[in-house]
Amino acid sequence: DIQMTQSPSSLSASVGDRVTITCRASQSINSYLNWYQQKPGKAPKLLIYAASSLQRGVPSRFSGSGFGTDFTLTISSLQPEDFATYYCQQSFTTPYTFGQGTKLEIK
Amino acid sequence: QVQLVQSGAEVKKPGASVKVSCKASGYTFNSYYIHWVRQAPGQGLEWMGIINPSGGSTSYAQKFQGRVTMTRDTSTSTVYMELSSLRSEDTAVYYCARKWGSGLFDYWGQGTLVTVSS
Repeated sequence: DIQMTQSPSSLSASVGDRVTITCRASQSINSYLNWYQQKPGKAPKLLIYAASSLQRGVPSRFSGSGFGTDFTLTISSLQPEDFATYYCQQSFTTPYTFGQGTKLEIK
Repeated sequence: QVQLVQSGAEVKKPGASVKVSCKASGYTFNSYYIHWVRQAPGQGLEWMGIINPSGGSTSYAQKFQGRVTMTRDTSTSTVYMELSSLRSEDTAVYYCARKWGSGLFDYWGQGTLVTVSS
């Protein structure tokens, strides 16, 4: 199975900050990397697919980049509603696997 | 609008089975595969498998092979996930999610909490 490793596991930031979350795959997954946001008690929400494509309806402050094994999710200016847990997921091959999550908290 | 509505919470004893339903609406049921993903309390997301509602073909994660069965009822646009030989480690929220593109999950059900406890 492909292992997905996110860093950091948790992050404290303030409204207006720029934050970056990193995801590393245990082998190359080309650009088959997706990002999800999950708020407590809710299902995950797709933010970014194919490493850098913004899902419809997702604010443009979210962006993704990377190829192969190393990927990043960037939020350019944090808003109060962005405090949540973020997961990367590889869709290169089954079993589809997720990172362990990055919890973004208010400083 | 696309909706996936799951059945309610379940409490099961170790060794029992549970069957969770996921009713789809707002799109052509046969046109999109459905994944099942689970999340143990305070933990991350774990992919369990996928079903093609059109023909009923399935693919399961190795971890769940032999214990999970995914089925569908096209007359009601509903997919089912049955997990047998339950143990405490199976306590989790189980989600259905629609497959979009290459292995993406674009719409999710609200989740079903399954608690396994003696």
